[in-house]
Amino acid sequence: EAGVTQFPSHSVIEKGQTVTLRCDPISGHDNLYWYRRVMGKEIKFLLHFVKESKQDESGMPNNRFLAERTGGTYSTLKVQPAELEDSGVYFCASSQVGTGGFNEQFFGPGTRLTVL
Amino acid sequence: RKEVEQDPGPFNVPEGATVAFNCTYSNSASQSFFWYRQDCRKEPKLLMSVYSSGNEDGRFTAQLNRASQYISLLIRDSKLSDSATYLCVVNMESNYQLIWGAGTKLIIKP
Repeated sequence: EAGVTQFPSHSVIEKGQTVTLRCDPISGHDNLYWYRRVMGKEIKFLLHFVKESKQDESGMPNNRFLAERTGGTYSTLKVQPAELEDSGVYFCASSQVGTGGFNEQFFGPGTRLTVL
Repeated sequence: RKEVEQDPGPFNVPEGATVAFNCTYSNSASQSFFWYRQDCRKEPKLLMSVYSSGNEDGRFTAQLNRASQYISLLIRDSKLSDSATYLCVVNMESNYQLIWGAGTKLIIKP
């Protein structure tokens, strides 16, 4: 079974440009999450989709970040315009719908974003 | 204060030794606890959940102390392949957010 995939694996852009990251969750997983790890810091939650709906976007840093999950399948995370502090590794994760208790979140390999 | 605190290490340990990591969390409402493992430039992967009664999975033992808000991971008979960063993670029952420590780096030496 295919795991969570992310594209691109690396992206180098200049400050002020736009970048769109893509995540394909494990087939059948309704829950999709975005996390980010900035250099030297811990991984931080960005947001959580259940199917196409944003369940929790409390971790989104500001309105330069826009996440979508049209049709409840893959998701995109757009950063526009990118700033230097946006550099880091963006992880996507997915999990099944819970029937009680915590369902393991499976992570993709991440997109390493560098803003120059 | 960070929500989840870990000693960043690195812990340099000879192969075959036993090593223990600790982690503290600040929010007493935390309900679920985990250890994730992350290899260099890879994604984090769940190593084990941590239960109140403590749990063991092969060479790995996890303990939770709710009163002290403290989680531990013990690795026995360490292998070279155990070299990685170990991330302490907590979750509130109210949402699905995972709250991460910055990780403890472990290096197993032959």
